[in-house]
Amino acid sequence: AQSVTQLGSHVSVSEGALVLLRCNYSSSVPPYLFWYVQYPNQGLQLLLKYTSAATLVKGINGFEAEFKKSETSFHLTKPSAHMSDAAEYFCAVISFGNEKLTFGTGTRLTIIP
Amino acid sequence: DSGVTQTPKHLITATGQRVTLRCSPRSGDLSVYWYQQSLDQGLQFLIQYYNGEERAKGNILERFSAQQFPDLHSELNLSSLELGDSALYFCASSVDQGPYEQYFGPGTRLTVT
Repeated sequence: AQSVTQLGSHVSVSEGALVLLRCNYSSSVPPYLFWYVQYPNQGLQLLLKYTSAATLVKGINGFEAEFKKSETSFHLTKPSAHMSDAAEYFCAVISFGNEKLTFGTGTRLTIIP
Repeated sequence: DSGVTQTPKHLITATGQRVTLRCSPRSGDLSVYWYQQSLDQGLQFLIQYYNGEERAKGNILERFSAQQFPDLHSELNLSSLELGDSALYFCASSVDQGPYEQYFGPGTRLTVT
Protein backbone atom coordinates (compact mmCIF):
# COMPACT_ATOMS: atom_id res chain seq x y z
CA ALA A 1 0.00 0.00 0.00
CA GLN A 2 1.12 3.53 -0.64
CA SER A 3 0.23 6.70 1.22
CA VAL A 4 1.40 10.23 1.87
CA THR A 5 1.04 12.37 4.96
CA GLN A 6 1.11 16.13 4.83
CA LEU A 7 1.91 17.76 8.13
CA GLY A 8 0.06 21.00 8.68
CA SER A 9 -3.27 21.59 6.98
CA HIS A 10 -2.63 25.34 7.10
CA VAL A 11 0.67 27.16 6.76
CA SER A 12 1.12 30.94 6.84
CA VAL A 13 4.30 32.71 5.80
CA SER A 14 5.20 36.32 5.21
CA GLU A 15 5.84 37.56 1.71
CA GLY A 16 9.52 37.06 0.95
CA ALA A 17 9.98 34.35 3.59
CA LEU A 18 10.89 30.72 3.06
CA VAL A 19 8.05 28.35 2.19
CA LEU A 20 8.33 24.81 3.58
CA LEU A 21 5.49 22.32 3.06
CA ARG A 22 6.01 18.88 4.51
CA CYS A 23 5.23 15.52 2.94
CA ASN A 24 6.13 12.04 4.16
CA TYR A 25 5.41 8.95 2.13
CA SER A 26 4.91 5.28 2.72
CA SER A 27 5.45 2.81 -0.07
CA SER A 28 6.52 -0.82 -0.23
CA VAL A 29 8.19 -0.24 -3.61
CA PRO A 30 10.21 2.69 -4.95
CA PRO A 31 7.80 5.61 -5.11
CA TYR A 32 7.20 8.24 -7.71
CA LEU A 33 6.28 11.46 -5.94
CA PHE A 34 4.49 14.56 -7.11
CA TRP A 35 3.48 17.97 -5.85
CA TYR A 36 0.38 19.59 -7.27
CA VAL A 37 -1.05 23.05 -6.63
CA GLN A 38 -4.71 23.98 -6.69
CA TYR A 39 -5.77 27.61 -6.95
CA PRO A 40 -9.31 28.51 -5.89
CA ASN A 41 -11.95 27.11 -8.22
CA GLN A 42 -9.36 25.54 -10.49
CA GLY A 43 -7.98 22.13 -11.28
CA LEU A 44 -4.69 20.70 -10.09
CA GLN A 45 -1.49 21.88 -11.71
CA LEU A 46 1.65 19.79 -11.61
CA LEU A 47 4.46 21.61 -9.78
CA LEU A 48 7.15 18.95 -9.90
CA LYS A 49 7.80 15.21 -9.85
CA TYR A 50 10.38 12.82 -8.47
CA THR A 51 11.11 9.74 -10.57
CA SER A 52 14.46 8.59 -9.11
CA ALA A 53 16.66 10.45 -11.60
CA ALA A 54 17.79 13.07 -9.07
CA THR A 55 16.97 13.60 -5.42
CA LEU A 56 16.64 17.39 -5.73
CA VAL A 57 13.85 18.25 -8.11
CA LYS A 58 13.17 21.70 -9.47
CA GLY A 59 9.68 22.63 -10.53
CA ILE A 60 7.74 25.57 -11.82
CA ASN A 61 7.29 28.94 -10.12
CA GLY A 62 10.57 28.62 -8.18
CA PHE A 63 9.54 25.56 -6.15
CA GLU A 64 11.78 22.61 -5.49
CA ALA A 65 11.60 19.41 -3.45
CA GLU A 66 14.18 17.01 -2.10
CA PHE A 67 13.65 13.26 -1.90
CA LYS A 68 15.14 11.82 1.29
CA LYS A 69 14.81 8.06 1.42
CA SER A 70 16.19 7.80 4.96
CA GLU A 71 13.47 10.15 6.19
CA THR A 72 10.78 8.98 3.71
CA SER A 73 10.19 12.65 2.99
CA PHE A 74 9.59 14.84 -0.04
CA HIS A 75 9.22 18.34 1.36
CA LEU A 76 8.40 21.28 -0.93
CA THR A 77 10.31 24.53 -0.57
CA LYS A 78 10.55 27.96 -2.12
CA PRO A 79 13.16 30.48 -0.95
CA SER A 80 10.96 33.56 -1.15
CA ALA A 81 7.17 33.50 -0.97
CA HIS A 82 5.09 35.59 -3.31
CA MET A 83 1.47 36.59 -2.88
CA SER A 84 0.58 34.55 -5.95
CA ASP A 85 1.73 31.38 -4.14
CA ALA A 86 -1.40 31.40 -1.98
CA ALA A 87 -3.14 28.14 -2.85
CA GLU A 88 -3.64 24.56 -1.68
CA TYR A 89 -0.77 22.16 -2.22
CA PHE A 90 -1.08 18.41 -2.53
CA CYS A 91 1.62 15.78 -2.28
CA ALA A 92 0.88 12.54 -4.14
CA VAL A 93 2.49 9.15 -4.74
CA ILE A 94 2.35 6.53 -7.49
CA SER A 95 4.17 3.24 -7.76
CA PHE A 96 4.55 0.68 -10.52
CA GLY A 97 1.57 -1.59 -10.62
CA ASN A 98 -0.54 0.93 -8.72
CA GLU A 99 -0.86 3.85 -11.05
CA LYS A 100 -3.55 5.79 -9.31
CA LEU A 101 -2.37 8.94 -7.60
CA THR A 102 -2.75 8.69 -3.84
CA PHE A 103 -3.02 12.20 -2.45
CA GLY A 104 -2.28 13.70 0.90
CA THR A 105 -4.90 15.79 2.63
CA GLY A 106 -3.44 19.02 1.32
CA THR A 107 -1.84 22.11 2.87
CA ARG A 108 -3.42 25.50 2.44
CA LEU A 109 -0.70 28.13 2.08
CA THR A 110 -1.49 31.71 3.09
CA ILE A 111 0.90 34.55 2.32
CA ILE A 112 0.95 37.47 4.73
CA PRO A 113 1.72 40.83 3.09
CA ASP B 1 -4.03 25.16 -19.52
CA SER B 2 -3.30 21.44 -19.10
CA GLY B 3 -4.89 20.42 -22.40
CA VAL B 4 -7.49 18.29 -20.60
CA THR B 5 -11.03 19.51 -21.08
CA GLN B 6 -14.09 18.71 -19.02
CA THR B 7 -17.74 19.54 -19.53
CA PRO B 8 -19.88 20.79 -18.04
CA LYS B 9 -18.14 23.10 -15.59
CA HIS B 10 -21.07 23.14 -13.21
CA LEU B 11 -24.02 20.80 -12.80
CA ILE B 12 -26.94 21.17 -10.42
CA THR B 13 -29.40 18.33 -10.20
CA ALA B 14 -31.84 16.66 -7.83
CA THR B 15 -31.50 13.51 -5.79
CA GLY B 16 -32.31 10.35 -7.71
CA GLN B 17 -31.25 11.81 -11.04
CA ARG B 18 -28.55 10.63 -13.45
CA VAL B 19 -25.80 12.78 -14.95
CA THR B 20 -22.92 12.30 -17.38
CA LEU B 21 -19.60 14.07 -17.07
CA ARG B 22 -17.37 14.28 -20.09
CA CYS B 23 -13.59 14.45 -20.41
CA SER B 24 -11.25 14.87 -23.36
CA PRO B 25 -7.63 13.95 -22.58
CA ARG B 26 -4.54 15.76 -23.83
CA SER B 27 -3.71 15.00 -27.41
CA GLY B 28 -1.79 11.74 -27.55
CA ASP B 29 -2.57 10.62 -23.99
CA LEU B 30 -3.95 7.10 -23.74
CA SER B 31 -4.75 6.89 -20.02
CA VAL B 32 -7.68 8.66 -18.41
CA TYR B 33 -8.31 8.83 -14.68
CA TRP B 34 -11.31 10.07 -12.72
CA TYR B 35 -11.02 11.55 -9.24
CA GLN B 36 -13.54 12.92 -6.78
CA GLN B 37 -12.72 15.82 -4.47
CA SER B 38 -14.95 16.47 -1.48
CA LEU B 39 -14.44 18.23 1.82
CA ASP B 40 -14.81 15.09 3.92
CA GLN B 41 -13.00 12.57 1.68
CA GLY B 42 -10.37 14.74 0.04
CA LEU B 43 -9.09 13.65 -3.38
CA GLN B 44 -10.06 10.07 -4.13
CA PHE B 45 -9.26 7.97 -7.17
CA LEU B 46 -12.33 6.52 -8.83
CA ILE B 47 -11.33 4.68 -11.99
CA GLN B 48 -8.72 4.49 -14.75
CA TYR B 49 -9.04 3.64 -18.42
CA TYR B 50 -6.23 2.89 -20.81
CA ASN B 51 -6.81 2.93 -24.55
CA GLY B 52 -10.48 2.06 -24.14
CA GLU B 53 -10.16 -0.60 -21.46
CA GLU B 54 -10.72 -0.37 -17.73
CA ARG B 55 -7.36 -0.58 -16.01
CA ALA B 56 -7.95 0.07 -12.32
CA LYS B 57 -10.79 0.77 -9.94
CA GLY B 58 -10.69 2.74 -6.75
CA ASN B 59 -13.38 3.91 -4.40
CA ILE B 60 -16.06 4.02 -7.05
CA LEU B 61 -19.66 3.36 -6.05
CA GLU B 62 -21.72 0.80 -7.95
CA ARG B 63 -24.06 3.65 -8.94
CA PHE B 64 -21.15 5.17 -10.86
CA SER B 65 -19.74 3.89 -14.13
CA ALA B 66 -17.36 5.12 -16.77
CA GLN B 67 -16.17 4.32 -20.24
CA GLN B 68 -13.51 5.44 -22.69
CA PHE B 69 -14.44 5.71 -26.32
CA PRO B 70 -12.37 4.94 -29.45
CA ASP B 71 -11.48 8.63 -29.80
CA LEU B 72 -10.15 8.37 -26.21
CA HIS B 73 -12.60 10.76 -24.61
CA SER B 74 -14.19 9.44 -21.45
CA GLU B 75 -17.52 9.77 -19.71
CA LEU B 76 -18.37 9.28 -16.05
CA ASN B 77 -21.97 8.35 -15.39
CA LEU B 78 -23.44 8.98 -11.97
CA SER B 79 -26.91 7.59 -11.24
CA SER B 80 -29.41 7.55 -8.38
CA LEU B 81 -27.67 10.64 -7.10
CA GLU B 82 -27.55 11.36 -3.40
CA LEU B 83 -26.72 14.56 -1.54
CA GLY B 84 -23.37 13.06 -0.60
CA ASP B 85 -22.36 12.81 -4.24
CA SER B 86 -21.97 16.59 -4.36
CA ALA B 87 -18.30 17.14 -5.12
CA LEU B 88 -15.75 18.24 -7.66
CA TYR B 89 -15.03 15.56 -10.23
CA PHE B 90 -11.69 15.73 -11.99
CA CYS B 91 -10.46 13.96 -15.02
CA ALA B 92 -6.74 13.52 -15.59
CA SER B 93 -4.74 12.03 -18.42
CA SER B 94 -1.27 10.63 -18.88
CA VAL B 95 0.70 9.51 -21.87
CA ASP B 96 0.72 5.80 -21.04
CA GLN B 97 0.28 3.24 -18.32
CA GLY B 98 2.85 3.48 -15.56
CA PRO B 99 3.92 6.10 -13.03
CA TYR B 100 3.75 9.03 -15.39
CA GLU B 101 2.65 12.51 -14.42
CA GLN B 102 -1.05 13.08 -14.73
CA TYR B 103 -2.49 16.31 -16.10
CA PHE B 104 -5.78 17.46 -14.66
CA GLY B 105 -8.76 19.11 -16.22
CA PRO B 106 -10.56 22.05 -14.60
CA GLY B 107 -13.17 19.77 -13.04
CA THR B 108 -16.94 19.53 -12.96
CA ARG B 109 -18.64 20.80 -9.83
CA LEU B 110 -21.68 18.65 -9.13
CA THR B 111 -24.31 19.88 -6.72
CA VAL B 112 -27.10 17.51 -5.77
CA THR B 113 -30.11 19.18 -4.13
